[in-house]
Amino acid sequence: AQSVTQLDSHVSVSEGTPVLLRCNYSSSYSPSLFWYVQHPNKGLQLLLKYTSAATLVKGINGFEAEFKKSETSFHLTKPSAHMSDAAEYFCVPLVGSSASKIIFGSGTRLSIRP
Amino acid sequence: DTEVTQTPKHLVMGMTNKKSLKCEQHMGHRAMYWYKQKAKKPPELMFVYSYEKLSINESVPSRFSPECPNSSLLNLHLHALQPEDSALYLCASSQVGTSADTQYFGPGTRLTVL
Repeated sequence: AQSVTQLDSHVSVSEGTPVLLRCNYSSSYSPSLFWYVQHPNKGLQLLLKYTSAATLVKGINGFEAEFKKSETSFHLTKPSAHMSDAAEYFCVPLVGSSASKIIFGSGTRLSIRP
Repeated sequence: DTEVTQTPKHLVMGMTNKKSLKCEQHMGHRAMYWYKQKAKKPPELMFVYSYEKLSINESVPSRFSPECPNSSLLNLHLHALQPEDSALYLCASSQVGTSADTQYFGPGTRLTVL
């Protein structure tokens, strides 16, 4: 079975500095992985997804993630944080193939300091 | 149109009430989902409908009763709920319910059970 570990429950960065949100996965085969974002009191929005086409995946709002099989990681990065990036971020592996049954990681709350 | 709508936005109900949550999408998706999200926790899958048939029920108590009248509409009927059922209820949809699908989420209904 696939699972993910989001290594930080809370990350705080200054506006304009780089963002790194860490996600490690455990799987016996190459997984499909998503990053979702949830702004306060809102639903979830897909940031990006990896489905084995390319290891570097670009998403919306300047975010990108790199799939590294040797490190079993799929960390989310952004070169320069913006105040509007403050939100909860979930790393999500896909489980199963007959239906989109997804189990969310525990989440990382990103705070942006002015 | 990539929007999933949910009504109502907020709902307060007593433990003896019967109420329903509604979710609608017009993207031609054939899979629809209900999730429950407690405060500061990731969403947890409750039900999956694929082609208007219930395909996944994650051992949800019978006081929650899902219904999919057609491919665009998903309801969640609530009866005799407990205060611990207070949460954000999220609806999502995807194309056909396979493992590579992107799920599109609605903004959620915030439910309070008194």
